[in-house]
Amino acid sequence: DAMVIQNPRYQVTQFGKPVTLSCSQTLNHNVMYWYQQKSSQAPKLLFHYYDKDFNNEADTPDNFQSRRPNTSFCFLDIRSPGLGDAAMYLCATSRGLGEETQYFGPGTRLLVL
Amino acid sequence: AQSVTQLGSHVSVSEGALVLLRCNYSSSVPPYLFWYVQYPNQGLQLLLKYTSAATLVKGINGFEAEFKKSETSFHLTKPSAHMSDAAEYFCAVSEVGYSTLTFGKGTMLLVSP
Repeated sequence: DAMVIQNPRYQVTQFGKPVTLSCSQTLNHNVMYWYQQKSSQAPKLLFHYYDKDFNNEADTPDNFQSRRPNTSFCFLDIRSPGLGDAAMYLCATSRGLGEETQYFGPGTRLLVL
Repeated sequence: AQSVTQLGSHVSVSEGALVLLRCNYSSSVPPYLFWYVQYPNQGLQLLLKYTSAATLVKGINGFEAEFKKSETSFHLTKPSAHMSDAAEYFCAVSEVGYSTLTFGKGTMLLVSP
């Protein structure tokens, strides 16, 4: 019954070594989001896709990129992870924007050594 | 620009006591309002949402919230706390139209026996 799946649940990478986090959904939703959540903080939206349209938040660092090759999958690429990028990364989906409920995956916890 | 304020980063209650988590919003027009819950090392789950229908909204797990336009508030309540309610709770706002969510900083609910 999994609806939003994130793999892996824990990811360890080295300082400066590119890393990719993945998200898939079985809900056939139009919108997919990536959030960064640091300890004891609110989720911070990095970007979202509405279908194939990519929407980047103004303060998202260039180090973060995303790909959505099809409706079901979305990837978060961190080109050169720094120690400050260690966080929980949450993927979410929704049918649309505004009043639509967002469905979250369990998250991937990234550790940068 | 929309924003949401959650008063109190931590709230402690005894099992069986009333739960009250506060949320105030700032928006040019009454927005859509959401409460999400996050258990440790998990994604967020929708508790309830207000989308301009009934001002008293009932959600899952016995929670409810009342939209009060005059007070720009959307406080979350539950008559009797259970140990399983211990989690972090996020209030979020989305402007009417096509907008993404803005989260508050979260309130950690602690429930003691």
